[in-house]
Amino acid sequence: GAGVSQTPSNKVTEKGKYVELRCDPISGHTALYWYRQSLGQGPEFLIYFQGTGAADDSGLPNDRFFAVRPEGSVSTLKIQRTERGDSAVYLCASSSDQRREQYFGPGTRLTVT
Amino acid sequence: AQRVTQPEKLLSVFKGAPVELKCNYSYSGSPELFWYVQYSRQRLQLLLRHISRESIKGFTADLNKGETSFHLKKPFAQEEDSAMYYCALWGRNTGFQKLVFGTGTRLLVSP
Repeated sequence: GAGVSQTPSNKVTEKGKYVELRCDPISGHTALYWYRQSLGQGPEFLIYFQGTGAADDSGLPNDRFFAVRPEGSVSTLKIQRTERGDSAVYLCASSSDQRREQYFGPGTRLTVT
Repeated sequence: AQRVTQPEKLLSVFKGAPVELKCNYSYSGSPELFWYVQYSRQRLQLLLRHISRESIKGFTADLNKGETSFHLKKPFAQEEDSAMYYCALWGRNTGFQKLVFGTGTRLLVSP
C-alpha cells in the first residue's frame, strides 16, 4: 500500500513569508508526528497528533509554528513569518498506535532565503 | 533530560570487517531504544528495536542499562550497509510521547 507522502518535496520561500507543508499518513493510522531535521542533526520532534487533537506540541519552537489535522488524516504544518533558521527538512511520520513503529515520509526540504 | 549520543559522525570500514555503531542514552525511566536507517535517496526506516531482540540484515543491538548503551553491531559489513544510522529513544513513562534521536552516524563500507 501507499506509504506516508509529503508535499511539496521542496519549498523555497523568502524570509517573512508564510508556508504550509502537507502530510498524508498511511490510511488508518491514528498517530501522526512532525519532526524537523536540520543539517547534520537527527530528526527533532515538533508535534504529535492522536486523531484530530494535538496530544503533544511541546516541540514547536515558537508561536510561528502551528499544525492541524482537522479530520484525523491529512495534517498541515504552518509556519508564519519564516526565518532563515527555519530552513530544514520537515519529516512526517505515522503509526497505527503511538506505541507502534513510526513510518516516515520522504520529507519536505524548506529553504528560506 | 532525555538525550541520545552518537559519538561518531562517520564510520568507514572495509567489506567483511566488523562494525559497531555506538549509542549512549540519558533517561531516568525505562526507555525503549531503536535504530533507524536511511539509505541514499530513501526515507528513514526502522531497522530494529530492543524489545524485539531480533537480528535484522545481520545487525543486532543489545540494551545495556548499566552502561546506558545500545550499540549496533554486525560481524561482517556489506557494501549495501552504507547508510546513515540513527539511534532513538522512546520513554515509557506517562506523558513522554516522543522519539528522541541522536545526531546519526554515517557508515561507509568500501569494497
